[in-house]
Amino acid sequence: KQEVTQIPAALSVPEGENLVLNCSFTDSAIYNLQWFRQDPGKGLTSLLLIQSSQREQTSGRLNASLDKSSGRSTLYIAASQPGDSATYLCAVRETRDDKIIFGKGTRLHILP
Amino acid sequence: DAGVIQSPRHEVTEMGQEVTLRCKPISGHNSLFWYRQTMMRGLELLIYFNNNVPIDDSGMPEDRFSAKMPNASFSTLKIQPSEPRDSAVYFCASSRGRGNAMNTEAFFGQGTRLTVV
Repeated sequence: KQEVTQIPAALSVPEGENLVLNCSFTDSAIYNLQWFRQDPGKGLTSLLLIQSSQREQTSGRLNASLDKSSGRSTLYIAASQPGDSATYLCAVRETRDDKIIFGKGTRLHILP
Repeated sequence: DAGVIQSPRHEVTEMGQEVTLRCKPISGHNSLFWYRQTMMRGLELLIYFNNNVPIDDSGMPEDRFSAKMPNASFSTLKIQPSEPRDSAVYFCASSRGRGNAMNTEAFFGQGTRLTVV
């Protein structure tokens, strides 16, 4: 059974710092990996999608990497801003049955 | 496209009542997912459909839960009878199917916050 783990569960950093969020998964038979952002009381907003054949994707200050063989992904946020405060979730889409399985997220707080 | 549309946004009901949550996926998407989110368990996959057919409902917690997708543009999740422990936020998501060579990015609705008292 696929398990997705996100470390740390919560993180507080001063504004302007670069930071890395981690995601690991137990079954490397995935089709893609997707990072989402969720603001309190809101839905999930897609940030980046990495296909299994890709190593990384970039969007603005965000860079996500994927090492499928080791079951790991990282989300790098450059020059963090208070507006980046949210919960970040990663999800893998399994090759075997097409399910999308989520980690429990990292709650990020950027201190002004 | 307006994105994935869920209704209602909020639902408060009494224990024992029937609750129906609705979802309209993005046009052209043939995969639809229902999730439940709680603080304790995070996002749990309840059921998903491919081309309107339920593929895996192993996440449905009990027989009180049922889901249908009568056509490509509408799905419902029903709870009958509802219980206080069903209180959670229920999300619907859609994407193109994995077999589609195009982008398979998943998009989420805003969710339905269900409170059973």
